[in-house]
Amino acid sequence: EVHLVESGGVVVQPGGSLRLSCGASGFTFDDYTMHWVRQGPGKGLEWVSRISWDGGRKYYADSVKGRFTISRDNSKNSLYLQMNSLRTEDTAFYYCAKDGYGGYDYWGQGTLVTVSS
Amino acid sequence: EIVLTQSPGTLSLSPGERATLSCRASQSVSNNYLAWYQQKPGQAPRLLIYGASSRATGIPDRFSGSGSGTDFTLTISRLEPEDFAVYYCQHYGSSPRHTFGQGTKLEIK
Repeated sequence: EVHLVESGGVVVQPGGSLRLSCGASGFTFDDYTMHWVRQGPGKGLEWVSRISWDGGRKYYADSVKGRFTISRDNSKNSLYLQMNSLRTEDTAFYYCAKDGYGGYDYWGQGTLVTVSS
Repeated sequence: EIVLTQSPGTLSLSPGERATLSCRASQSVSNNYLAWYQQKPGQAPRLLIYGASSRATGIPDRFSGSGSGTDFTLTISRLEPEDFAVYYCQHYGSSPRHTFGQGTKLEIK
């Protein structure tokens, strides 16, 4: 059974940094592109970033480009999101998701990042 | 970047009725790489439809997707109580950014 478990969400001050992690199990992790998606309080889904199976291709939403960095460690079945220069508008639940045959077929339960002074 | 616009924002229906949700793209979605998700309060999204019309594993056949190019539709043939939720469309595939629509809330009338 596929499991994705995010961790690392905390309360952080504006301008601060944070690294989120996503542990994967139940599938061959290094066969799949992985994604980060976020959802602000009471808001819709916002695609944040994705990384190819080998880490060679990375893409970012304009709202986070230059501040966030996606990475993965296939030896540890783990996905990461390094978040720098955090802003109040980055406050959200952050989900990791697995690429499927089409769309994102598995999602974690999310980790909450709160940016506040 | 493709912008997806969903309508209506809120849809009020009763169990047993048919629901029709729309998703319109600002430009043609290549290869019909369009997905639909359901999200209930406090839960992660769940993939319903991919490739505009293919049901994901375990999704009941009352859910169906249709459309191509810039206009897509999610239809729920007969609403069950557990279907009341928020629904999002998304384009995916090889384009750099995978955007979501703003969502349609399906509520009990």
